[in-house]
Amino acid sequence: ETGVTQTPRHLVMGMTNKKSLKCEQHLGHNAMYWYKQSAKKPLELMFVYNFKEQTENNSVPSRFSPECPNSSHLFLHLHTLQPEDSALYLCASRGGDRNHTLAKNIQYFGAGTRLSVL
Amino acid sequence: AQSVTQPDIHITVSEGASLELRCNYSYGATPYLFWYVQSPGQGLQLLLKYFSGDTLVQGIKGFEAEFKRSQSSFNLRKPSVHWSDAAEYFCAVGAGYWGAQKLVFGQGTRLTINP
Repeated sequence: ETGVTQTPRHLVMGMTNKKSLKCEQHLGHNAMYWYKQSAKKPLELMFVYNFKEQTENNSVPSRFSPECPNSSHLFLHLHTLQPEDSALYLCASRGGDRNHTLAKNIQYFGAGTRLSVL
Repeated sequence: AQSVTQPDIHITVSEGASLELRCNYSYGATPYLFWYVQSPGQGLQLLLKYFSGDTLVQGIKGFEAEFKRSQSSFNLRKPSVHWSDAAEYFCAVGAGYWGAQKLVFGQGTRLTINP
């Protein structure tokens, strides 16, 4: 148990559906991330939020829409996805404070949501 | 730009044998280096990290890694593997102002253990 919980664990959706992935962290962290893990490809960073503000969008298509209502929750809203979007979506949170305490700069990952787009 | 290379996509070792997984990185500044492990159907778990200081770092589950700046390497080792070590292993370099703010991952090495 890493303190980062993702729901659902598995999701099957059609290309016209709208669904959302949820991530919740219980670690008191201020940064949260979405990654995409496809077969035979390195983990791809999608979005980064620091103190609820989006600080990184790694050229992600607009059919993926993140939302970070507070430092503990992160959502990924999905609509009109393509089959090639099928992957494991991982959420992570990172400790860290405005004093840049190095020891807190570790990312903790959830178990992921396995997404299949039909 | 930062990059990480894990030359071995798949490694098979016998239970009880020693293990070394290779990792080479490219980064212009002092790197922050990490090894994560992913069991099937699970997220990534941190095994160990290097930020500064002693170049030989100890991690969980009996793993260690050695940072060699001259070779731009951060290889992971374990003296005697157990069947439960079968998993995928990822090396990562931390980039960005806050060190691990952004992680760049290698492609991973899948470890199989023969009984």
